[in-house]
Amino acid sequence: DGGITQSPKYLFRKEGQNVTLSCEQNLNHDAMYWYRQDPGQGLRLIYYSQIVNDFQKGDIAEGYSVSREKKESFPLTVTSAQKNPTAFYLCASSAGQGFGYSNQPQHFGDGTRLSIL
Amino acid sequence: AQKITQTQPGMFVQEKEAVTLDCTYDTSDPSYGLFWYKQPSSGEMIFLIYQGSYDQQNATEGRYSLNFQKARKSANLVISASQLGDSAMYFCAMREDLLTTDSWGKFQFGAGTQVVVTP
Repeated sequence: DGGITQSPKYLFRKEGQNVTLSCEQNLNHDAMYWYRQDPGQGLRLIYYSQIVNDFQKGDIAEGYSVSREKKESFPLTVTSAQKNPTAFYLCASSAGQGFGYSNQPQHFGDGTRLSIL
Repeated sequence: AQKITQTQPGMFVQEKEAVTLDCTYDTSDPSYGLFWYKQPSSGEMIFLIYQGSYDQQNATEGRYSLNFQKARKSANLVISASQLGDSAMYFCAMREDLLTTDSWGKFQFGAGTQVVVTP
């Protein structure tokens, strides 16, 4: 079955530690996205990537970093510079990265819940 | 500027009744897509329904239908015959086709509407 796999489901971070959230998709999608969701709130875009080896900052990129070395993978690192990392993180992907793809929805993983120890 | 507005933070609906969730959007792009997602308490985002800006008919998917009023820039979701399993957060989203704006490739999400279905 095609889909998006996020791991781990739960993650705990110690003060001063970097942690990496994994996101893998086998949908052959060009575009991938990372969102942060705080309790009872909407989605905020952290980073997105339209193509391998390229990515753009979203609305709240500070304290986060990403890489896109393979089409299937878009890992997110929460660095120690992110002082309030406790949140629910969602990875998504969508087909197409040009004109005419506005009919393509985003497909989401099941999310990672990150907490501070 | 907020591109997607969902004005109802929360609502209660009785089982078997219909409910309408409001969504208004803002774009100057003639080509765009509108999407609705459901997020149950477990957290996953479930794609429900899509409406294209050039579609002449309102989209329908089972008990979900989209009331698309292009001139008013409104894309309300209607859930008919509500079920207890419909209790969730619902998000409206838009994807534009314009290549020249900083929105290209991004999905704009609204703040969401929390729906609670009561027996």
